[in-house]
Amino acid sequence: GDSVTQMEGPVTLSEEAFLTINCTYTATGYPSLFWYVQYPGEGLQLLLKATKADDKGSNKGFEATYRKETTSFHLEKGSVQVSDSAVYFCALSDPGGDYKLSFGAGTTVTVRA
Amino acid sequence: KAGVTQTPRYLIKTRGQQVTLSCSPISGHRSVSWYQQTPGQGLQFLFEYFSETQRNKGNFPGRFSGRQFSNSRSEMNVSTLELGDSALYLCASSDLKTGDANVLTFGAGSRLTVL
Repeated sequence: GDSVTQMEGPVTLSEEAFLTINCTYTATGYPSLFWYVQYPGEGLQLLLKATKADDKGSNKGFEATYRKETTSFHLEKGSVQVSDSAVYFCALSDPGGDYKLSFGAGTTVTVRA
Repeated sequence: KAGVTQTPRYLIKTRGQQVTLSCSPISGHRSVSWYQQTPGQGLQFLFEYFSETQRNKGNFPGRFSGRQFSNSRSEMNVSTLELGDSALYLCASSDLKTGDANVLTFGAGSRLTVL
């Protein structure tokens, strides 16, 4: 079945550092890919998405490119802030219509001032 | 526009009891999904409803059930609670009209503690 593997945390960075969180996937078809973020005590928020190969999703300075050849969707941000401290989840959905998201295990990111 | 509303936010139950959690989707969203989040298993899909019909169900025992009403509000029920059912239960809704059928908007969750 479909699955997502993302780098394990926790990740601790200093403000203005570069952030990369690796995400690879296994899927039978051509899934849509997502990054969700969860702040303490809250639900998940969509950060960005990509629906086909070579699409680049971007939001709030975060970017991720759908790489079909490497089955990857790595999240990057050039200069993190303390407010970026959160748990980040990579996810995929099967366009074949099973109406669900498959999530990675989540990566906890802490940014220190 | 109001977001996805889940009630209650926190609850404590004892083993063997049952619990009902409620979810009100974003107005106009007709698809509602439920996920269980635990430190050990992460985020796991429970079920998805559309127009009062369950279209998919995750790999959970029959103690976990749900339903959707004609106004798209949804409830999930867990019977005969076990310690392992302690988790954050997240509801999400989706707007199928826009073509972004796979974009889910999540509520803040209901945190269940089973003692």
